[in-house]
Amino acid sequence: KAGVTQTPRYLIKTRGQQVTLSCSPISGHRSVSWYQQTPGQGLQFLFEYFSETQRNKGNFPGRFSGRQFSNSRSEMNVSTLELGDSALYLCASSLRSNTGELFFGEGSRLTVL
Amino acid sequence: GIQVEQSPPDLILQEGANSTLRCNFSDSVNNLQWFHQNPWGQLINLFYIPSGTKQNGRLSATTVATERYSLLYISSSQTTDSGVYFCAVGDTGKLIFGQGTTLQVKP
Repeated sequence: KAGVTQTPRYLIKTRGQQVTLSCSPISGHRSVSWYQQTPGQGLQFLFEYFSETQRNKGNFPGRFSGRQFSNSRSEMNVSTLELGDSALYLCASSLRSNTGELFFGEGSRLTVL
Repeated sequence: GIQVEQSPPDLILQEGANSTLRCNFSDSVNNLQWFHQNPWGQLINLFYIPSGTKQNGRLSATTVATERYSLLYISSSQTTDSGVYFCAVGDTGKLIFGQGTTLQVKP
């Protein structure tokens, strides 16, 4: 069974641009969560989607948004990029929402110049 | 919200040594996972262990939910065990991560 797939793996943007990251969960998993990892803040929860509905949201500004499609694939978007948005963005999938084991993808490493 | 503390923050071992990593959490949880982050950034699942004891090869984990801590044991460590180990607990639909333990195993 294929794991969680994230694209792109690496990308470089400049301040003010926007970026879209994609995540395909494990087949059969309906919950997709996003996390941001930075050296200063560690791993922080962004949001979770289940059956195309946002179930939970972390403490991030409105520039961070996401969505989930009917096939459970998810995208997250960051608009008006800032230098501090440089981070590793990790996607996780789970069979159920709110509980259960999470499985992570390899991440998308974003650099904002 | 729930606080998660891992100790020690850094650990240096000689190959073949055993080690114990600790994770303390501040409230009852319905999910606890241990991860190893590989050099490319991926979080590799080690254990899903909200309570009890599990073993997988040279690794084992124990969670005592009533006392709000979990332990990860690494026996006969190898250089490939090097990396960052994270404990994460579930809190209303999200995982709260500790700051990690950075393990370096020297040959």
